[in-house]
Amino acid sequence: AQRVTQPEKLLSVFKGAPVELKCNYSYSGSPELFWYVQYSRQRLQLLLRHISRESIKGFTADLNKGETSFHLKKPFAQEEDSAMYYCAPSGGYQKVTFGTGTKLQVIP
Amino acid sequence: EAGVTQFPSHSVIEKGQTVTLRCDPISGHDNLYWYRRVMGKEIKFLLHFVKESKQDESGMPNNRFLAERTGGTYSTLKVQPAELEDSGVYFCASSRRDNNSPLHFGNGTRLTVT
Repeated sequence: AQRVTQPEKLLSVFKGAPVELKCNYSYSGSPELFWYVQYSRQRLQLLLRHISRESIKGFTADLNKGETSFHLKKPFAQEEDSAMYYCAPSGGYQKVTFGTGTKLQVIP
Repeated sequence: EAGVTQFPSHSVIEKGQTVTLRCDPISGHDNLYWYRRVMGKEIKFLLHFVKESKQDESGMPNNRFLAERTGGTYSTLKVQPAELEDSGVYFCASSRRDNNSPLHFGNGTRLTVT
């Protein structure tokens, strides 16, 4: 069965501190990996995807196939990073499964 | 491009009534998905259309839920009769057909069944 685990429901960090949002997945085949974010009063939107190897708003995510992890990192948290973050693998026929989400709270 | 739109944004109905949610995807997006977030829980997959065909409806909770996408454009999700546990936020998303295409979400419909 496809499963996504985000162990932290809430992660609080001080502004300027490093951030790591954990994601482990259990998936058949080789899924594409995405992180989605929902800021307050906004719709859920793509933050970044593994295939692009990009850094968005200072965030990066490293895929570790051995550990089946896709943790999201940022070296220095900003207040505007406060939001709900969802790890989301996409498998066969582009079915996207969402994790439970982690609420990131950046304390000024 | 216009985004994914959902209607209504909020709906409050009584147990036993019927509600129909509508989703207009981004033009040209063959994939259309319905998801649901019940209070305090994760976003759960309901079903996936490719054009007008149901690709995967494994997440539909029971036969009180009926989704359609006639003509491969907009989609409707009908709940009949509604139960208390159906309350939650229903999200629609669309995407192009290539494997790396991300989902574009609507704002969701908040359904409250009393």
